[in-house]
Amino acid sequence: RKEVEQDPGPFNVPEGATVAFNCTYSNSASQSFFWYRQDCRKEPKLLMSVYSSGNEDGRFTAQLNRASQYISLLIRDSKLSDSATYLCVVNSDSGGYQKVTFGIGTKLQVIP
Amino acid sequence: GAGVSQSPRYKVAKRGQDVALRCDPISGHVSLFWYQQALGQGPEFLTYFQNEAQLDKSGLPSDRFFAERPEGSVSTLKIQRTQQEDSAVYLCASRTLNSDEQYFGPGTRLTVT
Repeated sequence: RKEVEQDPGPFNVPEGATVAFNCTYSNSASQSFFWYRQDCRKEPKLLMSVYSSGNEDGRFTAQLNRASQYISLLIRDSKLSDSATYLCVVNSDSGGYQKVTFGIGTKLQVIP
Repeated sequence: GAGVSQSPRYKVAKRGQDVALRCDPISGHVSLFWYQQALGQGPEFLTYFQNEAQLDKSGLPSDRFFAERPEGSVSTLKIQRTQQEDSAVYLCASRTLNSDEQYFGPGTRLTVT
């Protein structure tokens, strides 16, 4: 079983729609969680951190469920510019440093 | 300010050739990661440096892969006797010791023919 699992999609949604992605992780000792965005043929960039209490940044909401070991990303009022791959990232302690594990990424295509 | 830079951006190698990929992290960033990203996949961890110390190389796929960071800044990933399955984008990322956010370079796209 992969340490971090995501549905690769693609998710094709119309502009204005709400879309949600989930990501599950296998290491119950994982400590911190993130969503990164990667545009086609570009490097990943941090979208937002995910906190236990949940956090919101404009149209984006991220949540963490430690009991079920998953994190989610909700995008409201989708824009064409949201089209990208969304990578789930999990950090866990590994002998004194934070090891970083990426999911495969979920591809989102927002269509006009 | 200057971000993470990588060179070359593109590299075509014949099978069996050796290649060297360079990463210049953000100045002052203690932590440096190398990842391999195959088409349609997420970045796969290769190795991690804290300053000049290579603390984790568990992700290096074979002994043909070698990485160094001798002075704790610039890092080089070397692949010996390249194989077709080495074709991928190699990403470098750096961060400060106490931060969770990684800053990625643009990657080196390696094609082995």
